Amino acid sequence: QQQVKQSPQSLIVQKGGISIINCAYENTAFDYFPWYQQFPGKGPALLIAIRPDVSEKKEGRFTISFNKSAKQFSLHIMDSQPGDSATYFCAARSGGADGLTFGKGTHLIIQP
Amino acid sequence: NAGVTQTPKFQVLKTGQSMTLQCAQDMNHNSMYWYRQDPGMGLRLIYYSASEGTTDKGEVPNGYNVSRLNKREFSLRLESAAPSQTSVYFCASSEGRNNEQFFGPGTRLTVL
Repeated sequence: QQQVKQSPQSLIVQKGGISIINCAYENTAFDYFPWYQQFPGKGPALLIAIRPDVSEKKEGRFTISFNKSAKQFSLHIMDSQPGDSATYFCAARSGGADGLTFGKGTHLIIQP
Repeated sequence: NAGVTQTPKFQVLKTGQSMTLQCAQDMNHNSMYWYRQDPGMGLRLIYYSASEGTTDKGEVPNGYNVSRLNKREFSLRLESAAPSQTSVYFCASSEGRNNEQFFGPGTRLTVL
């Protein structure tokens, strides 16, 4: 049972464009939704995170949009740069458990 | 600060062999985690330790054991390795379950 569904699996965006990655979840007990960025050969690193009491959070060029009623959240990367090329994972954590449940990842390529 | 360190970086085992993956953190974090990452699968939680002296199963614990040696160190043991355990293993730590998880660089394990 996949509790966090992520799409698309891969994405190619032109430099300066907007990259959008979507995630959907079923478990209404999830109360924390982080996005991780991973470069080849490295461990994941936290990019930005949101809790369900807000609908949007912005940090620099990165924005999370959260729709509690639809049980969906998305990552928007504005003015995408070649250095943003990486794999991105959405994740969620239940209020009553430890550890994170991850989506399957999106391989993002920003073309110069 | 080194953050989260893992040893070894790479390992090749034969089916049935045993080995221990080591993880240490220097951030004085209470919680530590072991995940495995497989192509197209995202990261899945194997075991976690909410505090020194406690360990609990995650999503995919079968075939693994863990030891929280002290507050800094959390090891993962494969008693009898199987080809299905070929994966990249990541250790992570956090101040508490409500805090950001910091990941190590990973151990790439191949079981022949």
